[in-house]
Amino acid sequence: EIVMTQSPVTLSVSPGERATLSCRASQSVNSRLAWYQQKPGQAPRLLIHDASTRATGIPARFSGSGSGTEFTLTISSLQSEDFAVYYCQQYNNWPLTFGGGTKVEIK
Amino acid sequence: EVQVVESGGNFIQPGGSLRLSCAASGFTFSSCALSWVRQAPGKGLEWVSAITGSGVTTYYADSVKGRFTVSRDNSKNTVYLQMNSLRAEDTAVYYCAKDNCDYYYMDVWGRGTTVTVSS
Repeated sequence: EIVMTQSPVTLSVSPGERATLSCRASQSVNSRLAWYQQKPGQAPRLLIHDASTRATGIPARFSGSGSGTEFTLTISSLQSEDFAVYYCQQYNNWPLTFGGGTKVEIK
Repeated sequence: EVQVVESGGNFIQPGGSLRLSCAASGFTFSSCALSWVRQAPGKGLEWVSAITGSGVTTYYADSVKGRFTVSRDNSKNTVYLQMNSLRAEDTAVYYCAKDNCDYYYMDVWGRGTTVTVSS
């Protein structure tokens, strides 16, 4: 099983600042990496797939990069609605696996 | 509008069985895989199971293998998750999610249905 490790667990950021979230895979997942956003009491929402492709309707301030085992989600200028938990997920191998999540909170 | 809606969650005693349903609409159902993902209270996301569009191939997390069975009825645009031998650690919100029709990332999620396993 591929283990996905996200860091940091919690990220404190002021509105308007940049947020950088990391996701590491225990072995290569090529570019088969997705990012999701989840707000309290809501279902997750797809943000990024194929490591760097924004899903439909996702603002340009969200960007993804990386390949192999190291991936990054960047939010260029945090808006109030971006404070949430973010998960990465690999879909290169079975079983599918998620990272433990990074909570982005208001500083 | 592409949509998936879960139902069937309930309070159940350990060792019991439950069947969840996921009704889909707005896309060519038989062309796309669907996954079940769960979230225990206060915890992260855990992928549980997936089924291909044809229903021929199924996948399971080790934590549920042998106890859970995923199936689909393409004539009803519905996917099912039969859960047997339920344990306290199966307590979670269970989400149904449509996989991208080419790859196994989840592009549309339902609101979830709650399963509570307790005596």
